[in-house]
Amino acid sequence: GAVVSQHPSRVICKSGTSVKIECRSLDFQATTMFWYRQFPKQSLMLMATSNEGSKATYEQGVEKDKFLINHASLTLSTLTVTSAHPEDSSFYICSARDPFGGSYNEQFFGPGTRLTVL
Amino acid sequence: QKEVEQDPGPLSVPEGAIVSLNCTYSNSAFQYFMWYRQYSRKGPELLMYTYSSGNKEDGRFTAQVDKSSKYISLFIRDSQPSDSATYLCAPSLTAGNKLTFGGGTRVLVKP
Repeated sequence: GAVVSQHPSRVICKSGTSVKIECRSLDFQATTMFWYRQFPKQSLMLMATSNEGSKATYEQGVEKDKFLINHASLTLSTLTVTSAHPEDSSFYICSARDPFGGSYNEQFFGPGTRLTVL
Repeated sequence: QKEVEQDPGPLSVPEGAIVSLNCTYSNSAFQYFMWYRQYSRKGPELLMYTYSSGNKEDGRFTAQVDKSSKYISLFIRDSQPSDSATYLCAPSLTAGNKLTFGGGTRVLVKP
């Protein structure tokens, strides 16, 4: 299957700082990428859908000014958590949709980034 | 009520047993039904997907969808310790778009 990478794999930061997480599709061009958040022992919750060259679409309850998403190229999307607070500590996972991924247009998931805000 | 419900487990079975997992959902508009496997601290990987109602088999895995009762099942035959993971069901309205994940069921296969 296609490969999606995330960087960094884990980050620890102080409250009030901003953190940028990168999501890359390594062997395919992804016009659409998705950002999810997963709290311990809970499922993945979609935060936003990112389309290359346009503004991201945020799910209800997700603050777009706090979670800045940029999808500037067909292989890279970034999520910036601005002014992070301890309640933002979570596992952030991206996925990229392969537009040529068969009849289903499968989403391939990255390995996730664990964010800890002190 | 959550849109997609799963028993969190853990579901503990001996090696070689059949693992039976299920999900219920509330949105009758869901058309695609996915099962993902997630190992600890990793991203999910797609196991199987089914379109609309019916059965689908792939190796040791069988997925069943009953849209009339909004019930999704995944069966794992001849379970192996490497099958120990969290299994997430994720229906969606259209192909490749927004996934609505269940809470996941943790499975432990004991050697």
